[in-house]
Parts: sequence; structure tokens; C-alpha cells
Amino acid sequence: DAGVTQSPTHLIKTRGQQVTLRCSPKSGHDTVSWYQQALGQGPQFIFQYYEEEERQRGNFPDRFSGHQFPNYSSELNVNALLLGDSALYLCASSLASTSGFGTQYFGPGTRLLVL
Amino acid sequence: QKEVEQNSGPLSVPEGAIASLNCTYSDRVSQSFFWYRQYSGKSPELIMSIYSNGDKEDGRFTAQLNKASQYVSLLIRDSQPSDSATYLCAPHRRSGGYQKVTFGTGTKLQVIP
Repeated sequence: DAGVTQSPTHLIKTRGQQVTLRCSPKSGHDTVSWYQQALGQGPQFIFQYYEEEERQRGNFPDRFSGHQFPNYSSELNVNALLLGDSALYLCASSLASTSGFGTQYFGPGTRLLVL
Repeated sequence: QKEVEQNSGPLSVPEGAIASLNCTYSDRVSQSFFWYRQYSGKSPELIMSIYSNGDKEDGRFTAQLNKASQYVSLLIRDSQPSDSATYLCAPHRRSGGYQKVTFGTGTKLQVIP
């Protein structure tokens, strides 16, 4: 059973550049959530995708955008990178249902360093 | 008031002891509660979930939930050095048909051999 995968594992960018991170959900899952985790902090919710639409969004600027594909995989795009965007970016997948609580499983993360 | 509050630690316990990790949350409509373990430089790993008031045991782990007090805890019995990690508390609630998850900053646990 394939777990959540993310690519790339590490990335170095400079201020002002743009970056795209990718996520494939766990087999059977249809919902993808993205989180940003700064050093020493808990994961902060960026947004969640289901049925190729953004369903919920956290307190992040429009520089952060995403997409979900028909095969449920997802991308996170960040434009005009700032030094403060340096963090571990986590993708979590879950299964949406009318009942139950949609347990989230995390991928290994992408560590982004902005210089 | 933070949505989810955890003591950042570090919480140091000797090997073989019981480690007690606590979490309080402010959202009264939170319905389910998850504990994740995160090793340094790695992603969170789900270890326990609890939905109802009371205790839930899974091996050396026991989760305790008191919704009236908005309090959830995780007990680790017979602590091992391999349990040394940061433990994240994550209340979930349904919002507009979708789940909303809020993470605490985590408690760092150190198990001393």
C-alpha cells in the first residue's frame, strides 16, 4: 500500500523566485491538505483540496496557490519567495466521507530553503 | 488564547517511567483528537486517535479525553529512548463538510537511558 509521497525532498531557492512542490496521496485517499512547518513550530494549515477544488484555506497570502489533478495528486505553488517561506512543507492525505473523521497521513515533506 | 496549547518541554523522563503529555484546546466543537509523533527532521507520524470521553489504550500508549474540560492527554508507559521525539496534539472538527485540523506546537520528550 503506497503511502503519501512528496517531491522534491529538498529545495534551495532565492528570494523572489517561484517554487512548485508535488504530492501524491495514499492509495484510496481523495483529499490533500498542505501544511507549513517552521522550525520549532507545529504544522500550520495552508489549504485543502478535494474534487480538484480548494475547499478550505488557512491564513496564508495569495502567493500560496495550489492545484489538484484528477488522479488526486496535488501541487503547491509559492510565488515571490521570501526568506520567511523557508520551512518544511508537509502534504497530508485523507478520505472524505459523510461520516467519520478523515484521519490524515503525512508524507515525508519537502524542506525549502530560501536564500 | 491559542487554539491548541501544549507545554513545549523538553519533558525528561528516565527509561521505563511513564511520560505524561498534556494538551488543551479552545474549540468546543472539536470532535476527534489525534496524537502525532515527530522525530527531528522527519514528518509527523500518527500514533493515536480518540473520539469519546475516557481512555483509549493501544500498546504502551493511552490517550485520555475530557471534552468538558477541553483536555486531552497521552500517556506513554515503559518509556524507551526511541520514544524521544516531539509529540503533536491535533484536534479535528468538521467545517462546512470538511475537516479542520489545528496542531499544537508540540511537546519535546526526552527519555534518558
